[in-house]
Amino acid sequence: QKEVEQNSGPLSVPEGAIASLNCTYSDRGSQSFFWYRQYSGKSPELIMSIYSNGDKEDGRFTAQLNKASQYVSLLIRDSQPSDSATYLCAVTSSGAGSYQLTFGKGTKLSVIP
Amino acid sequence: EADIYQTPRYLVIGTGKKITLECSQTMGHDKMYWYQQDPGMELHLIHYSYGVNSTEKGDLSSESTVSRIRTEHFPLTLESARPSHTSQYLCASSPGQGLSYEQYFGPGTRLTVT
Repeated sequence: QKEVEQNSGPLSVPEGAIASLNCTYSDRGSQSFFWYRQYSGKSPELIMSIYSNGDKEDGRFTAQLNKASQYVSLLIRDSQPSDSATYLCAVTSSGAGSYQLTFGKGTKLSVIP
Repeated sequence: EADIYQTPRYLVIGTGKKITLECSQTMGHDKMYWYQQDPGMELHLIHYSYGVNSTEKGDLSSESTVSRIRTEHFPLTLESARPSHTSQYLCASSPGQGLSYEQYFGPGTRLTVT
């Protein structure tokens, strides 16, 4: 059973701080990793993708991947109240012919003004 | 920007009615998916399709059925709605090639069965 684990939170950070969201996965053959943001009552929105070890930056967001440790993280710098949402980690399956993503249960982030 | 549409956005219907939730995408993606999500809970994959005339059941047992007659269209049907079907239904599509396995979600249909 392929698993993606995230801290459920809620994670509370003050406005302007760095929010750090973590995710571990069990499928060592996974190649593609994604972070989604989901506001309450809305559908998930893709915010970051990462495919190789190291850091990938996009604006205030940085995704970090360590395949040896089977660990992927998302850093949000200068957190804003509008960042308050649930963040989902998603990982591809290494199975042949599988085009599915395994989603974590999500971490709820609250940014306190 | 992803172009994936779902209708209706909200539906309140009585027990025993047949309903079809529509999902369409204009990106030419072969891979499409249906998820069920209760408020504050995780996503559950209920159906997926890797191309025309290809459909499979997902991890969560569902009484719904799907069809894929055209690449852009992936409707979900409930033959006889029950209160236990009350949930949010999310449709997604994906390029599903190379490393591009990212999924783009539609806005969802919130279904309430009374």
